[in-house]
Amino acid sequence: GAGVSQSPRYKVAKRGQDVALRCDPISGHVSLFWYQQALGQGPEFLTYFQNEAQLDKSGLPSDRFFAERPEGSVSTLKIQRTQQEDSAVYLCASSFRRGGYGYTFGSGTRLTVV
Amino acid sequence: ELKVEQNPLFLSMQEGKNYTIYCNYSTTSDRLYWYRQDPGKSLESLFVLLSNGAVKQEGRLMASLDTKARLSTLHITAAVHDLSATYFCAVDSNYQLIWGAGTKLIIKP
Repeated sequence: GAGVSQSPRYKVAKRGQDVALRCDPISGHVSLFWYQQALGQGPEFLTYFQNEAQLDKSGLPSDRFFAERPEGSVSTLKIQRTQQEDSAVYLCASSFRRGGYGYTFGSGTRLTVV
Repeated sequence: ELKVEQNPLFLSMQEGKNYTIYCNYSTTSDRLYWYRQDPGKSLESLFVLLSNGAVKQEGRLMASLDTKARLSTLHITAAVHDLSATYFCAVDSNYQLIWGAGTKLIIKP
């Protein structure tokens, strides 16, 4: 596609519910990143994929967070047993280069946990 | 640990005025980015600065990089209302982008 597509655009979850956020990167982009942006703050790194390999997941805040990119294209960020502190915008970015550069960001998924 | 600090965090200015946003970072890096974010929208890439002394300009915005001082600036010339947004700088640290807190810019007619 022409850009990075994320869905859903908005998600309201009850505390304790599991959610899955989808990212469809630009076709052919090798690198894919997930960031979390809390209200009024800059994004924070969550995880990085190079093709289907998850090379860095050091930013995932807890073992409730899980990301995958099984075929090296679409990625899913899953959050289990959501908590209120998980409320944020989750941004996906892709890049044509290994390790980044020339990042294109998606519009994000705004997650609200009630 | 790489840290990125922006200032000011909030800026209200009149149309036609000039101003500068500052971005300091704590360790060496190969690349520095400036992004714009409108409310409820994603991040739009403005500039990528790759080397010491790099200067890039697009319209009323000009970005520069001093790697020795670990400082980048985003200068706004003769501001117009359309430039109202939040501006972020981000530093590349082994493919992770480390972000400043953002500068919320409001330009009043």
